[in-house]
Amino acid sequence: NAGVTQTPKFQVLKTGQSMTLQCAQDMNHEYMSWYRQDPGMGLRLIHYSVGAGITDQGEVPNGYNVSRSTTEDFPLRLLSAAPSQTSVYFCASSRRRNNEQFFGPGTRLTVL
Amino acid sequence: RKEVEQDPGPFNVPEGATVAFNCTYSNSASQSFFWYRQDCRKEPKLLMSVYSSGNEDGRFTAQLNRASQYISLLIRDSKLSDSATYLCVVNPGPSGGSYIPTFGRGTSLIVHP
Repeated sequence: NAGVTQTPKFQVLKTGQSMTLQCAQDMNHEYMSWYRQDPGMGLRLIHYSVGAGITDQGEVPNGYNVSRSTTEDFPLRLLSAAPSQTSVYFCASSRRRNNEQFFGPGTRLTVL
Repeated sequence: RKEVEQDPGPFNVPEGATVAFNCTYSNSASQSFFWYRQDCRKEPKLLMSVYSSGNEDGRFTAQLNRASQYISLLIRDSKLSDSATYLCVVNPGPSGGSYIPTFGRGTSLIVHP
C-alpha cells in the first residue's frame, strides 16, 4: 500500500493563479480531509469528506474548493491564490471519522 | 479559551530521562483522542490512541482523564530519536452535523546526550 499520496511536493504560484493539489489513498478509507499548517497555528481543517459525493467545510474553507467523486481521490482547488494561502498542506484519511488519521507527505505552497 | 491546549515547550531533557506532556480540552463531549509525532518538515504520524483505561506501548504511556478533561503522554528512558514535536488530537464527534477534529499546537521535545 502506498498509503496517502500528495502531489506536488512543492509549488510556487503568483497571486491570482489557480491550481489543484492532488491527494489519493489506497486504503479504502471513508474519511478524507485537508489541513493547512502554519507556524504557531497548528493544523487547521480546511475541508473534509465522509464518503464519495459528500464534502463539508472545516475551520478555514474560504478560498478553497473540494470534490470527492471517488473513494480514493480528494483534490483541493485554490480558486485565486493569495499570499495568505502560503502554507504547508496535508491531506489525511481515516477508516471512519473519529478514527486515527493517516497523513500524506504534504505540499509546500508559496504564493508570491 | 482554545479548544485544545498544549504547553509548546521546548522540553529539553537528557537521554534516559522521563518526560510527560499534558493536553487539555474544553469539549466534554469529545469522543476520541490521539497522540501524533511530527518531525521537522514532515507529516504527523500516529504515535498512539488514548483510551479511557490508559494504554502503553513500550516506553510510551497515554492516559485520559475525562473528569479533568486532559490527556497525557509519558515517555520513559528518552532516546535522542524521540526529539520531535508531539501533537494531541481531540475528536469532538458530530455537532449539528459537522465534524472537526482539533489539533493542539504541539509540544517540542529535545533529547540531548
